Amino acid sequence: NAGVTQTPKFQVLKTGQSMTLQCAQDMNHNSMYWYRQDPGMGLRLIYYSASEGTTDKGEVPNGYNVSRLNKREFSLRLESAAPSQTSVYFCASSEGPETQYFGPGTRLLVL
Amino acid sequence: SQQGEEDPQALSIQEGENATMNCSYKTSINNLQWYRQNSGRGLVHLILIRSNEREKHSGRLRVTLDTSKKSSSLLITASRAADTASYFCATEGRGAGSYQLTFGKGTKLSVIP
Repeated sequence: NAGVTQTPKFQVLKTGQSMTLQCAQDMNHNSMYWYRQDPGMGLRLIYYSASEGTTDKGEVPNGYNVSRLNKREFSLRLESAAPSQTSVYFCASSEGPETQYFGPGTRLLVL
Repeated sequence: SQQGEEDPQALSIQEGENATMNCSYKTSINNLQWYRQNSGRGLVHLILIRSNEREKHSGRLRVTLDTSKKSSSLLITASRAADTASYFCATEGRGAGSYQLTFGKGTKLSVIP
């Protein structure tokens, strides 16, 4: 079991470029989440998907879009990257509203 | 806005000592969870305590919850160098927003061998 996997591990973008962060889980979980973590901060929820076919905004959704491609995969898209989106992005999954399992993170630098 | 606030922000102790971290939150919760994050890694779930529980143990971890004070504490006994990490509390709110965890800013624990 790989758990939660994220690609890429590291990315550098120029302002205005777009990219998609990929996340996949092999635990057959219903719920998936995208967070960002900035230095000295806890995680802030960007978007989540409580079940396949549904997505909802979290605390900081502006500038992002998501797609729940199937039960396993949940992608995060930056349409026009901005320096303020420089952060570490974590994907997580859970069976219910309790323990979440996190991926290793994607470090994004927007110049 | 962040629900949980950990205290202290940083803690440095000698190996073998106990480490206590505190978390305060603002609104009613279904449960409170503690996670550990090693440097450069993802978060790992440590322990969950439900709103109707007051204390819970898991190995060297002891968590308490006081819903009247909206606070929780995490005690790590007989600390080891491998416990060096950041520790975050996370709350799952009641009603709308259930399934969403709100994280605090974390306590950075350094255990000196």
